[in-house]
Amino acid sequence: EVQLVESGGGLVQPGGSLRLSCAASGFTFSSYSMNWVRQAPGKGLEWVSYISSIITIYYADSVKGRFTISRDNAKNSLYLQMNSLRAEDTAVYYCARIGSGSQLDVWGKGTTVTVSS
Amino acid sequence: QSALTQPASVSGSPGQSITISCTGTSSDVGTYNLVSWYQQHPGKAPKLIIYEGSKRPSGVSNRFSGSKSGNTASLTISGLQAEDEADYYCCSYADGGSYVFGTGTKVTVL
Repeated sequence: EVQLVESGGGLVQPGGSLRLSCAASGFTFSSYSMNWVRQAPGKGLEWVSYISSIITIYYADSVKGRFTISRDNAKNSLYLQMNSLRAEDTAVYYCARIGSGSQLDVWGKGTTVTVSS
Repeated sequence: QSALTQPASVSGSPGQSITISCTGTSSDVGTYNLVSWYQQHPGKAPKLIIYEGSKRPSGVSNRFSGSKSGNTASLTISGLQAEDEADYYCCSYADGGSYVFGTGTKVTVL
């Protein structure tokens, strides 16, 4: 079964750091590009970051310079290092696989990040 | 990276058809035929229902269809059913390798 499982969320103070992980299974992880997408409470979906199979990387302006996406194909894992966290980063963070037509065809269940003092 | 514009809400009676619009710009929807649509029930992860503008993934009902004209993409749900009540989001690949989501539409089945 194709599956993505996020972990690493939690409560962190403003200015703090957190590292999210996404464990992939059921498919050849190294062959796929991946996205992080977030959803603030009661709000819509927001694209956060992209990493290709050949490590091309893009970020949304809202996180550029603070977040770092990476992957470890040997561990079938995707990561999001989040630094200098702000209250507005509070959200459920989803990892998603990108299909051949740039669609996000497989999603994890998400992990919740709360930035609050 | 401004969000694509969707109506906040759309409603219809069971059996009816509804259409959700998704308006972008020449930097996203208008240039790339890479619009996808997602259905999200409360407390759940989004689910892909349309990709590349009009293609349906395996297992998705043929009651869902997509189209595009210029800078606007559309999702039509025909034969509306109670289980279709959910939030719907469009998403487009955009210039610079980014992605942009729509503002989201809440579909209510009356």
